[in-house]
Formats: sequence, structure tokens, C-alpha cells
Amino acid sequence: QKEVEQDPGPLSVPEGAIVSLNCTYSNSAFQYFMWYRQYSRKGPELLMYTYSSGNKEDGRFTAQVDKSSKYISLFIRDSQPSDSATYLCAMNPPGSWGKLQFGAGTQVVVTP
Amino acid sequence: DTAVSQTPKYLVTQMGNDKSIKCEQNLGHDTMYWYKQDSKKFLKIMFSYNNKELIINETVPNRFSPKSPDKAHLNLHINSLELGDSAVYFCASSQDRTGVVSYNEQFFGPGTRLTVL
Repeated sequence: QKEVEQDPGPLSVPEGAIVSLNCTYSNSAFQYFMWYRQYSRKGPELLMYTYSSGNKEDGRFTAQVDKSSKYISLFIRDSQPSDSATYLCAMNPPGSWGKLQFGAGTQVVVTP
Repeated sequence: DTAVSQTPKYLVTQMGNDKSIKCEQNLGHDTMYWYKQDSKKFLKIMFSYNNKELIINETVPNRFSPKSPDKAHLNLHINSLELGDSAVYFCASSQDRTGVVSYNEQFFGPGTRLTVL
């Protein structure tokens, strides 16, 4: 069983809809939670990060962490075709030398 | 442009060959990484170097050997290539300098798409 589970999708939504993505994890030592976005044939780029539990908002993007349930979410409001990409969650515990554990990535397709 | 760059972008080769992938970053970061992304998009760390010192060495066949001539460069040499080595290999770098990692933004290169025939 992988330490980080993420539904690979694809997730297809119409433009303007809310996209809801999530990951579950098993290692309670994870403290730092990140979402990376990867466009087709490109490298991943960091979208948002959250420390421990709570919410964080950045424009149309909201990241949530529920450590009690070992569950993290990313919401994209007013989705645009340019949001079509694969979204990967990533996380690591303190002192891990950047040894991120990635989810499998969820492919999102926003149709005009 | 400040970035992480990799060469080559595409690599098609026969089973049994030896090949190398090069990575360079001009972000002034101290730590560099090699990742393998399989056909299902799963991204898995292979190695990491901090200031030319190997700090992460995951369970990877010893046909894979990383080398870091300086902190801006990290190369990956693969001996006796096998069909299962076909994947996209990403290099990344980050600013971490100590073992107490906090928020860890890793900057990824564009990837090298390796196809073994």
C-alpha cells in the first residue's frame, strides 16, 4: 500500500465549475503538504503548500488539510481550460531531506 | 533564464546500452534530485545530493549511478538499459541546506523521456 493515495481520474468538468481534488495518506508524521501542477510534457511546478492542519487560499485555489482524518484537498473555483493539467499532492515529514512522497496525480480536464 | 535544465529531452536506445542524462540548475540551490515518473504518472524519488553529497539513495538498481561534480550539476548514468527503465526522468532542485526540512519547494526540469527498445 502506498503512503499517499490519490485517484488518478481523469476528472472532466465544464468551464466555471469547482474542481475538487483530494489525497489520503497513512504516515502521521507528515507535516508539510503540497500541491504540484503538471502540464502535459512538462515538469511539475509547486501550486500551494500548507503546514499541518488548516486552510490556505490563493486566488481561485484553496488547500485544506485535515490531519485527524489524514486527508488533504485542493479546490479550484471558476475553473478555466488553462487549469487542465495533472495535479499531484506531495508531503514530507520534518527532517526528511526533501524526500517528498507524491500521490499518483489526478488528471483534470476543463472543457470550454 | 533561471531554471533547471536537462539534456537530452528525448532518448531512444536499445536494451543493453549505457546512457547518461545531464542536469544543471542556476538557481543557486544546494540540493538536487532525480525522480522517475512511470507511465501512470507516479513520481518517485531516486536520489538526492546536497552540496555534492549523496543524501537520499532509494531502492534503485545499481545500474543507476548519480554523479554530482558540483552543486549546480547532477548527472544520471544508466548501465545495461532494460525495457522497464522506459520512463520520464526529472531532475529537481531545492534550497534546503540542513537536515531539518521545512516547506520544500522543489523546482523541476522539463524531463527526459527515455524509451528503451
